[in-house]
Amino acid sequence: DQQVKQNSPSLSVQEGRISILNCDYTNSMFDYFLWYKKYPAEGPTFLISISSIKDKNEDGRFTVFLNKSAKHLSLHIVPSQPGDSAVYFCAASTGNTGKLIFGQGTTLQVKP
Amino acid sequence: DTEVTQTPKHLVMGMTNKKSLKCEQHMGHRAMYWYKQKAKKPPELMFVYSYEKLSINESVPSRFSPECPNSSLLNLHLHALQPEDSALYLCASSKYTGGRGQDYGYTFGSGTRLTVV
Repeated sequence: DQQVKQNSPSLSVQEGRISILNCDYTNSMFDYFLWYKKYPAEGPTFLISISSIKDKNEDGRFTVFLNKSAKHLSLHIVPSQPGDSAVYFCAASTGNTGKLIFGQGTTLQVKP
Repeated sequence: DTEVTQTPKHLVMGMTNKKSLKCEQHMGHRAMYWYKQKAKKPPELMFVYSYEKLSINESVPSRFSPECPNSSLLNLHLHALQPEDSALYLCASSKYTGGRGQDYGYTFGSGTRLTVV
């Protein structure tokens, strides 16, 4: 049973445009969400996070939106740059366990 | 120092070998984690250590044995592995297991690429 789902395996965007990566979850107990970026042969790099008490968090070119009623979050990257090309993972956690549950990832390609 | 350092980066071992993966952080984090990632799959949690004590074992086979000698170090001892255990093993740390926002600092190392032959 996949509790965190990223239904788009890949996304291709032109440089300068907006990239929107989506993530859905099923467990209503999740109270904290994180986005990570991953290059091949490297560990995930933290991008941005959001608590379930908020509906938006912004950090530079990255904005995460949370819709609790729809159990959906999205990561917006504006403007997209070729260096953003990577696999993006959505992750969720609950309580104080420290356990992160990851989605399957979305491969973003930003074309020059 | 805001890094989690894992050694070795690559490891090839036979099914009868004993080896260890090492992880180190100097951020003062009191929670450390082992994750396993197979190709084209998301990372999956194996173990959680909180204040040097094992708090979560995700039903991992006993051929994987974690150890946390002190607050900065985390080891994963490997013995009698199977070829299907070949994967990227990721270590992570965070300030606390229940941190949020800036307090969390959930940081991953670059991983050890393990191949079991």
